[in-house]
Amino acid sequence: KAGVTQTPRYLIKTRGQQVTLSCSPISGHRSVSWYQQTPGQGLQFLFEYFSETQRNKGNFPGRFSGRQFSNSRSEMNVSTLELGDSALYLCASSLGDRALELFFGEGSRLTVL
Amino acid sequence: AQSVTQPDIHITVSEGASLELRCNYSYGATPYLFWYVQSPGQGLQLLLKYFSGDTLVQGIKGFEAEFKRSQSSFNLRKPSVHWSDAAEYFCAVGEADYGQNFVFGPGTRLSVLP
Repeated sequence: KAGVTQTPRYLIKTRGQQVTLSCSPISGHRSVSWYQQTPGQGLQFLFEYFSETQRNKGNFPGRFSGRQFSNSRSEMNVSTLELGDSALYLCASSLGDRALELFFGEGSRLTVL
Repeated sequence: AQSVTQPDIHITVSEGASLELRCNYSYGATPYLFWYVQSPGQGLQLLLKYFSGDTLVQGIKGFEAEFKRSQSSFNLRKPSVHWSDAAEYFCAVGEADYGQNFVFGPGTRLSVLP
């Protein structure tokens, strides 16, 4: 069974640009969540999607958004990039509906110059 | 507010020695507790979890953890460390009503001496 797949693995952007990251969950998993990992702030919850609906949202500005498609694949978008957005963005999937066992992808490493 | 502390930022042990990584949490209800491991450049892998029942839980790679409600702790242990255990370890707390909004501790980096 394939794990959680995130693309791209690495990317470099400049300030003011926008970026879209993609996540394909484990087959059969219906819930996807996103986390930001930085050396200073650690792992912070961004948002969670279940059945194409945002179910939970962390404390991030509106520049951070996401969506989930009918096949459970998810994307997150960050607009007007700032230097502080440089981070490892991790996607996790679970069976959903309050299933709390998360399976993480390897992450997308974003560098903002 | 929920919080998770891992008092040790970095621990170094010799291969074959025992290991204990500390985790304390602040939570209003009965938490769901997790330990994850992250190797450099990789995502997080679940080592073990506690939801309810027996307070000593077994995980993968020979790890175990004990939930102590009175101490608000969920410490991770391994009787004999292998060089491949060198990684960063994260304790996390979740709660059913918060979905996948886990609170992670800051992590403990484990180095293993040959």
